[in-house]
Amino acid sequence: DTAVSQTPKYLVTQMGNDKSIKCEQNLGHDTMYWYKQDSKKFLKIMFSYNNKELIINETVPNRFSPKSPDKAHLNLHINSLELGDSAVYFCASSPLAGANSPLHFGNGTRLTVT
Amino acid sequence: AQTVTQSQPEMSVQEAETVTLSCTYDTSESNYYLFWYKQPPSRQMILVIRQEAYKQQNATENRFSVNFQKAAKSFSLKISDSQLGDTAMYFCAFLALNYQLIWGAGTKLIIKP
Repeated sequence: DTAVSQTPKYLVTQMGNDKSIKCEQNLGHDTMYWYKQDSKKFLKIMFSYNNKELIINETVPNRFSPKSPDKAHLNLHINSLELGDSAVYFCASSPLAGANSPLHFGNGTRLTVT
Repeated sequence: AQTVTQSQPEMSVQEAETVTLSCTYDTSESNYYLFWYKQPPSRQMILVIRQEAYKQQNATENRFSVNFQKAAKSFSLKISDSQLGDTAMYFCAFLALNYQLIWGAGTKLIIKP
């Protein structure tokens, strides 16, 4: 199936731990994104990569570090997890980096920090 | 499998007109949430409206309203008195009981002056 897939779907961990969320797309898209969904369901963009190069880096704590080994993958690594990091994180991809390029979303990773 | 389908890749209307964006979904669950998100050029995703499946009354938010037909698994968005600022991509999404959001492919809406 062609899709944007994220792993894991659920992640429960303790404060202070380091964890990673993986994202892969087989759509042949050039651009990938990470979004964080807050309690009001507002999806806030965190990072965007175009052909492995960082093009959007919103105000996100530097404990969050994206890594793109190739244009089909964009992983999110989080150091020293805090309670406020609990949220649903969505990966997405688009054919182009432009504002009108449609997004294809993964199904999300629910991160719970205890 | 749970799916969300938006059959209109692109639509355009004149300012002040009313436009309806369609969304259908497939699920075997009886209780769930449905959302419409708007994505302007900033790439942020803004929640427009949400509907809980157990509520029969259609949700409304100012100029935005939905026509929720549970039996038909249809969840269309109506925008009344459309404004230039409504130009954006609109995504329909389904929240399953396992808290996974299933997204439609999006509809590009253009409001012409």
